[in-house]
Amino acid sequence: GAGVSQSPSNKVTEKGKDVELRCDPISGHTALYWYRQSLGQGLEFLIYFQGNSAPDKSGLPSDRFSAERTGGSVSTLTIQRTQQEDSAVYLCASSFTSGPHQPQHFGDGTRLSIL
Amino acid sequence: AQKITQTQPGMFVQEKEAVTLDCTYDTSDPSYGLFWYKQPSSGEMIFLIYQGSYDQQNATEGRYSLNFQKARKSANLVISASQLGDSAMYFCAMRERDGTSYGKLTFGQGTILTVHP
Repeated sequence: GAGVSQSPSNKVTEKGKDVELRCDPISGHTALYWYRQSLGQGLEFLIYFQGNSAPDKSGLPSDRFSAERTGGSVSTLTIQRTQQEDSAVYLCASSFTSGPHQPQHFGDGTRLSIL
Repeated sequence: AQKITQTQPGMFVQEKEAVTLDCTYDTSDPSYGLFWYKQPSSGEMIFLIYQGSYDQQNATEGRYSLNFQKARKSANLVISASQLGDSAMYFCAMRERDGTSYGKLTFGQGTILTVHP
């Protein structure tokens, strides 16, 4: 498809386990973003990639969270030793460039539930 | 201070009527972008409309228009001829310079719009 693709769409795991969330951006989009949406917290920025570099990691909530992007394309968000407060919908977005005028196009998200 | 403020947690409108969703923002960056997104109950975030800080005219996109009042720092979304399918959460968002780059979107808390038949 032509849109941002995220997998899995749903993930249920036990507290303490590690999880990997994947994002495949729109072809040709150089900028990629991760956000988290939880009830009562709205949409929180996590990290942004320009190419394979991450100029802004300021939103990662703890060192249990990490992300990488390879080949200027697919990105993986990893959460180690998951906690119940990590339960949320994780949204990935991409844009053609990172300029102020570029809309970000979102995937359908991964709904993460920590038991 | 909140960067993006949406003061209406919920709005109701009759089908075929127009509705305005409010958004005010706060930035000292002269170059910024303002965006509106729609999130139906299915969860996807759909880009609706964009307004640049230097744009002289209000943005329009089909039934969506943006009432941009720069001096008041407001960017209200107007939906004309509401349809039942417009029922969703609507987010206002801003992109401004952060250091040397423009990266993240900062979102408001959202407004839930319900369209009545």
